[in-house]
This record gives sequence, structure tokens and C-alpha cells, in this order.
Amino acid sequence: EPEVTQTPSHQVTQMGQEVILRCVPISNHLYFYWYRQILGQKVEFLVSFYNNEISEKSEIFDDQFSVERPDGSNFTLKIRSTKLEDSAMYFCASRPGQRSGANVLTFGAGSRLTVL
Amino acid sequence: DAKTTQPPSMDCAEGRAANLPCNHSTISGNEYVYWYRQIHSQGPQYIIHGLKNNETNEMASLIITEDRKSSTLILPHATLRDTAVYYCIVGDAGNMLTFGGGTRLMVKP
Repeated sequence: EPEVTQTPSHQVTQMGQEVILRCVPISNHLYFYWYRQILGQKVEFLVSFYNNEISEKSEIFDDQFSVERPDGSNFTLKIRSTKLEDSAMYFCASRPGQRSGANVLTFGAGSRLTVL
Repeated sequence: DAKTTQPPSMDCAEGRAANLPCNHSTISGNEYVYWYRQIHSQGPQYIIHGLKNNETNEMASLIITEDRKSSTLILPHATLRDTAVYYCIVGDAGNMLTFGGGTRLMVKP
């Protein structure tokens, strides 16, 4: 069964460092998402991406965050200068291209980011 | 904020049916009801969705009331591996999904 692949599975970084989390969405999917989950808290939406641009973003997704689809397969989340509160699990998700119909997302296993 | 209300936790005996309720009294006509689950700290996993009619797939059944203000997810024969947090989410096609607190289902031997 097709799956969303995320790397790294766990990254430890120092506060203030830049971090890039990588995702390979399912190959024929056209909508891409990043969510995060701070330990013990809810899964929170960060950003959605379609047709090489951000389609929706949350208040969490401030200027420290950026997303990119540098090639035909990868979808990346960059945190420019990490803060302690960025420590969380980050989940990438994707879905097929139809605009109408249900919003069925396939999530990756997540990347755990620990900021020291 | 999530538009759904779910009990924070439930227990179920292994082999029995698990019935997870969800209230979504403010659902609008074009919003779907989705169910996802999250096992430990893994990524959320899609289970089933519906608009108006009841739905069944290999994982579960979804019963939506006629007024669409509530629904029930049914796991017909719960196993220990079904222990997870179950999220009921409502949303338009194309919009991002907003996760609430979900129901922590504990399947016990």
C-alpha cells in the first residue's frame, strides 16, 4: 500500500539552529500538509500546499516556518531558527488531487524534533 | 476549534464491538464526517468517512443519524491492536482537518 515517508525519524538540535524535515508524499497526490503534535497535546494543522503554493496556513505557521517542493517528489518543512517550543512530532500528509469529494489524508509516521 | 464532541476515554473488552460516539450538532450540509485514529505516537490513520449515509469498510462501520448531528464509529470485533485515540472530525471537501482531543479507546483482554 502506498505510504508517506518522512525523514529523519528523530532529530535533536540546538535552539536557534535551522532544521529541515523531509517528506515524500504518495506519488500521484497533489495536496500536501504539515501537522505537528506537541507531546500530550492535540494534532495541530500547520500548512497546506497545492500547485506549488501555500493554500492555507495556521497561526502557528509564522515567518520562522517555510515549505517547499524542491523537486517532483520531496516536500520539506524548514524551521529557520528553532525554539524550545518547536519540540514536537511533525507529521506530513498528502491526498489525491480532486478538489471535490472527501478530504482523505494519508499521514506519514512523523519526525520527532527535540530542541535543546 | 474542533466542531465535534467525544468522550475522552472508553474501555472495550477484546472481541466485543466498540461503539464510539461523536456529537457534531453544528455540522453543515456539505461537511463530511471523518474518523481517524492514532496508535501511540504514530501518524493518524484514516478509518472511514461519510456524508449522509451509513458506511462500512474492512475496518469499521459509520452510523450517521438522520439529522446528521451525531455519529457512531463501530469496530465490530475489537482487538488489543485497536487501542488508540480515535478522532471524529467534520469538514468541507478540500479544507484542512481540525483534530480535537478524540476518544482514548482501551481494549482490554
